[in-house]
Amino acid sequence: KNEVEQSPQNLTAQEGEFITINCSYSVGISALHWLQQHPGGGIVSLFMLSSGKKKHGRLIATINIQEKHSSLHITASHPRDSAVYICAGSRPGATNKLIFGTGTLLAVQP
Amino acid sequence: DAGITQSPRYKITETGRQVTLMCHQTWSHSYMFWYRQDLGHGLRLIYYSAAADITDKGEVPDGYVVSRSKTENFPLTLESATRSQTSVYFCASSPLGGSTLSGANVLTFGAGSRLTVL
Repeated sequence: KNEVEQSPQNLTAQEGEFITINCSYSVGISALHWLQQHPGGGIVSLFMLSSGKKKHGRLIATINIQEKHSSLHITASHPRDSAVYICAGSRPGATNKLIFGTGTLLAVQP
Repeated sequence: DAGITQSPRYKITETGRQVTLMCHQTWSHSYMFWYRQDLGHGLRLIYYSAAADITDKGEVPDGYVVSRSKTENFPLTLESATRSQTSVYFCASSPLGGSTLSGANVLTFGAGSRLTVL
């Protein structure tokens, strides 16, 4: 069992829909990262958070430390949001060793 | 150009050959990382470096060698390539460690190097 699990693995949505991607982790972490990988491979860091909620444009990331769970929400989804979304946790004390989930492939259809 | 660049972007080699993947960043970030990405595994850390001349193993270091003589460069060498090292390799950098809780501490990734070992 992976220490960082994402669900769903694949997600298809219609343009305009509200999207939620979930990330659960079984180990203690000091921070949770959300990354976006577009077709063609480039990876972009979206959020790093250790508590509460962060918002950037139509993207919202939340984390519940007690429940070891984080969610990434996309409001008013658009086909350009189609990508793989990856969550990763930073181990406390092992500052640079991120533990990655296997990603959620999102396809937003027009 | 500012940013983080990897070369080559695509490489085909044969088993047993030595291959070096280059990574160059222009921000003078202290930390640099090498990851590999394989289907079903997600990204896995190979090696990382906290500063010039300081490197440390990650999750899957076997078969790889790194060096960091200059802050801006972090080459990854496969001394004798094997088929199991066929993968997409990503270099990344950050001003601080990946878990330091600062809004400025964002991991920035290169575009990736796709390596095929025949």
